[in-house]
Amino acid sequence: AQSVTQPDIHITVSEGASLELRCNYSYGATPYLFWYVQSPGQGLQLLLKYFSGDTLVQGIKGFEAEFKRSQSSFNLRKPSVHWSDAAEYFCAVGADSSYKLIFGSGTRLLVRP
Amino acid sequence: DAGITQSPRHKVTETGTPVTLRCHQTENHRYMYWYRQDPGHGLRLIHYSYGVKDTDKGEVSDGYSVSRSKTEDFLLTLESATSSQTSVYFCAISEGQATQHFGDGTRLSIL
Repeated sequence: AQSVTQPDIHITVSEGASLELRCNYSYGATPYLFWYVQSPGQGLQLLLKYFSGDTLVQGIKGFEAEFKRSQSSFNLRKPSVHWSDAAEYFCAVGADSSYKLIFGSGTRLLVRP
Repeated sequence: DAGITQSPRHKVTETGTPVTLRCHQTENHRYMYWYRQDPGHGLRLIHYSYGVKDTDKGEVSDGYSVSRSKTEDFLLTLESATSSQTSVYFCAISEGQATQHFGDGTRLSIL
């Protein structure tokens, strides 16, 4: 069965510092991979997605993610974090023709001034 | 933003009562989904629809039913609400290629 693991429940970084959020997935073939962000009281907003091709994908708000098949990972990165990036981040994998998504449990990002 | 409206946005009800949540889309997307979000669990799929009158179960479907009589509306019903169904419910839509767009959620409290 497909699964997604986000090993960090909380991460705190200082404003201006770099960020990496980890995501590992379990799936036999090449999956569809997503990162979503959720601000308090809001729905989920798509940051970026990977379907095929270039393994480094660029998203909105200066985020990028790299697909590493050998490590079954799809880590999210940002070179310089802004206070407005404080939110919860979800990694998801989509793996069959029904287009269902399996979500990780999320990582809450706190940004220190 | 994708045209998705969830109603109501907040609801408080009592155990044993029926509850219906509505998701309305203006995008004419084929696929619609209902998720619940609970701390430590991320989002878990309850039911989804791949067309009018075509629905299927997700990971946590027990105690829930759905209906889709029109492309734009997807209803989630709790026939007899229980306290374990207190959660935030999200609707999502998709038109192929797996990318889903989410509504703003419904916060449901069952006392």
